[in-house]
Amino acid sequence: SQTIHQWPATLVQPVGSPLSLECTVEGTSNPNLYWYRQAAGRGLQLLFYSVGIGQISSEVPQNLSASRPQDRQFILSSKKLLLSDSGFYLCAWSIAGGYNEQFFGPGTRLTVL
Amino acid sequence: GENVEQHPSTLSVQEGDSAVIKCTYSDSASNYFPWYKQELGKRPQLIIDIRSNVGEKKDQRIAVTLNKTAKHFSLHITETQPEDSAVYFCAANTDKLIFGTGTRLQVFP
Repeated sequence: SQTIHQWPATLVQPVGSPLSLECTVEGTSNPNLYWYRQAAGRGLQLLFYSVGIGQISSEVPQNLSASRPQDRQFILSSKKLLLSDSGFYLCAWSIAGGYNEQFFGPGTRLTVL
Repeated sequence: GENVEQHPSTLSVQEGDSAVIKCTYSDSASNYFPWYKQELGKRPQLIIDIRSNVGEKKDQRIAVTLNKTAKHFSLHITETQPEDSAVYFCAANTDKLIFGTGTRLQVFP
């Protein structure tokens, strides 16, 4: 069966510090991968998605970036965090090539102080 | 691109009553419509989905209806229970899922 991992689970970072969040998927090959951000009490904002290694589509211009160095690894990064980067970051995967369910990871709660 | 609107933003019902959440979408090419439930501090979990070749789908107390002509779809929860309290998100999919803004459902015992 497939599983999706995210770490860390929680993170408190000062403004201006760098960020690296990692997501890995097990039990499937060539998944579509997604990063979402959810501000407190708000909806799901799609940040990036990837259909393959090195292929990243950005949905919202901002100080975040994403990379996919391996088939089942997706990384969200920032060089300098802003207060507005605080939120609940969710990674998700879906089967490639169709209109399919997305499975979400457990999320990382980021607080920027 | 696709735009999904969801109403209401909050919904309070008495235990045992029904709850209905409605969504509209803009892209007629969308053909997959999932509904997710998110409990406080947890990840969203799929509860039901429907594809555009079907008008209605039911799973126990939960049902979803789709009107492709009008470009809207709805979630129906019957005989609500306190454990149904959560935030519910609809979504529509062309090449990626676009989510609605969510409905906070509270079921009072």
